[in-house]
Amino acid sequence: DAMVIQNPRYQVTQFGKPVTLSCSQTLNHNVMYWYQQKSSQAPKLLFHYYDKDFNNEADTPDNFQSRRPNTSFCFLDIRSPGLGDAAMYLCATSEGVTDTQYFGPGTRLTVL
Amino acid sequence: EDQVTQSPEALRLQEGESSSLNCSYTVSGLRGLFWYRQDPGKGPEFLFTLYSAGEEKEKERLKATLTKKESFLHITAPKPEDSATYLCAVQAHYGGATNKLIFGTGTLLAVQP
Repeated sequence: DAMVIQNPRYQVTQFGKPVTLSCSQTLNHNVMYWYQQKSSQAPKLLFHYYDKDFNNEADTPDNFQSRRPNTSFCFLDIRSPGLGDAAMYLCATSEGVTDTQYFGPGTRLTVL
Repeated sequence: EDQVTQSPEALRLQEGESSSLNCSYTVSGLRGLFWYRQDPGKGPEFLFTLYSAGEEKEKERLKATLTKKESFLHITAPKPEDSATYLCAVQAHYGGATNKLIFGTGTLLAVQP
């Protein structure tokens, strides 16, 4: 089945230690997104790629960066995680910029 | 400012007790309204997309409807496996193509046997 895959499902890091989260898709969608979701809150869009074109949300901290080396993979890099960055990180994909977004299972990040 | 409000925040039902979840929105031109189901510790699972007032979509025990100001997710004869958080999101028209979803904070549904 076509799907969105996130690895790892659970990630523990130390305060200030860089961490990378991974997302891959077999849907062959053009657009890939990263969201941050804290407990009992709505998902918050961090940025997205349309193909190789990167689009950053205005309020996304500089501490968060992303890479998309090819159509299938997208990475979220957190350069110096703080305690406030502990959250569920969701990857999503869509065919086009106005199409339905399909989410992966998420990566739960814990910062010690 | 574009906004999505879901109510109630939490809902507890007995198995078989039908009810509705509400999603009210204010947006400068609606492109689409989306319903997702989210289980604890998992990513949102797509349920429905609605594009215009009067549109309805059904899937098993769920039926979504749309007006110019709100959407309802009707749950008929729910089962315990329907327990989850239901998220509503809208996508608005802006200058140029955009894809940003504006999410509500969800309704936590618990269905007791």
